[in-house]
Amino acid sequence: AQSVSQHNHHVILSEAASLELGCNYSYGGTVNLFWYVQYPGQHLQLLLKYFSGDPLVKGIKGFEAEFIKSKFSFNLRKPSVQWSDTAEYFCAVTTFGNEKLTFGTGTRLTIIP
Amino acid sequence: DSGVTQTPKHLITATGQRVTLRCSPRSGDLSVYWYQQSLDQGLQFLIQYYNGEERAKGNILERFSAQQFPDLHSELNLSSLELGDSALYFCASSVLAGAQETQYFGPGTRLLVL
Repeated sequence: AQSVSQHNHHVILSEAASLELGCNYSYGGTVNLFWYVQYPGQHLQLLLKYFSGDPLVKGIKGFEAEFIKSKFSFNLRKPSVQWSDTAEYFCAVTTFGNEKLTFGTGTRLTIIP
Repeated sequence: DSGVTQTPKHLITATGQRVTLRCSPRSGDLSVYWYQQSLDQGLQFLIQYYNGEERAKGNILERFSAQQFPDLHSELNLSSLELGDSALYFCASSVLAGAQETQYFGPGTRLLVL
């Protein structure tokens, strides 16, 4: 069965700093990768997704992620964060024949104005 | 707003009781998923329905059951509630069933068992 690891549990940054959140998965076959964001008190929203093709995917709100197959990684990046990016970020994976999202434990991001 | 609705938003009940959580998927979506979010377990998949039929089961307790009705709304029934069932329960929907389907999440139902 697949699993997802997010090693950064809580990240604190100042506004305008660059962001990179780590995500590693374990699965030997083809994966579909997702990043979701959960703003305080709100539901999960899709930031971006990767199925195939260009390993660098761009999402909403200036976020991007890069799929590196050799490292089983799908790290989320943003060149300059804003206070409104304060939220919890979840990496998730699905695999062929297994449509449920398997989530990482999440990374809480706090942006200091 | 994802288009997925869930009721109620909050639910406070006592141990041993039974509750029903309701989810209406986005218009046109045939697949419904239920997830539980708790501090100790994180986000965990419970069960999936597709066009009225159960399609996949995850870490769902025997005390929990679900169904999807002909109008495609879904209900999650939790019975013999325990303190540990306190959590946020999310419903998600997608157009079809498939690993490359994007799942859109509802606002969740926060359940507190006292």
